[in-house]
Amino acid sequence: ETGVTQSPTHLIKTRGQQVTLRCSSQSGHNTVSWYQQALGQGPQFIFQYYREEENGRGNFPPRFSGLQFPNYSSELNVNALELDDSALYLCASSSNREDTIYFGEGSWLTVV
Amino acid sequence: AQSVSQHNHHVILSEAASLELGCNYSYGGTVNLFWYVQYPGQHLQLLLKYFSGDPLVKGIKGFEAEFIKSKFSFNLRKPSVQWSDTAEYFCAVRGLSAGKSTFGDGTTLTVKP
Repeated sequence: ETGVTQSPTHLIKTRGQQVTLRCSSQSGHNTVSWYQQALGQGPQFIFQYYREEENGRGNFPPRFSGLQFPNYSSELNVNALELDDSALYLCASSSNREDTIYFGEGSWLTVV
Repeated sequence: AQSVSQHNHHVILSEAASLELGCNYSYGGTVNLFWYVQYPGQHLQLLLKYFSGDPLVKGIKGFEAEFIKSKFSFNLRKPSVQWSDTAEYFCAVRGLSAGKSTFGDGTTLTVKP
């Protein structure tokens, strides 16, 4: 176990709706990153948060947004859901003393 | 821009066969390199990593990888696979000045008992 926990594990949403996914980072980790893993592909970097600020973003539109809280937990919000947003969303945490990221089990999102 | 290419999409081996999974990366700077494994129904787990020093790194479960800087490669090897090695394997690169890790599309390994 990595100590990174995500919720919910599975959810189904309708196109156009909004979704919030949650992540608790491993103890001692102050950096959280989010990845999208579509079927048959590797994880794609969405963004990263460090000390409650976004400090890196991949090629995802602004309707993908996030938050990091003082306890380093994090949320990923996706507005105006599209069918192509159906994927496994992975949260990963790390510390600035170690350049290894540790993944949670992910949240499976299905958009219908 | 960072990119990672894994040459084999699906590899099928019999138990005790040797394994080598290819990984090439593109990045204009110093990188950290990783191999992750995802067993069916489980989360991504770190197999091994290379930051600096000896280019031959050993990981968990008998896996090793060799960093060849001139070839921009970081191939994963195991001398003798087991049925329990059936999983998906991902190579990833992380630039020292970048906040993100870039993953390849993965290689599915099936080991026949």
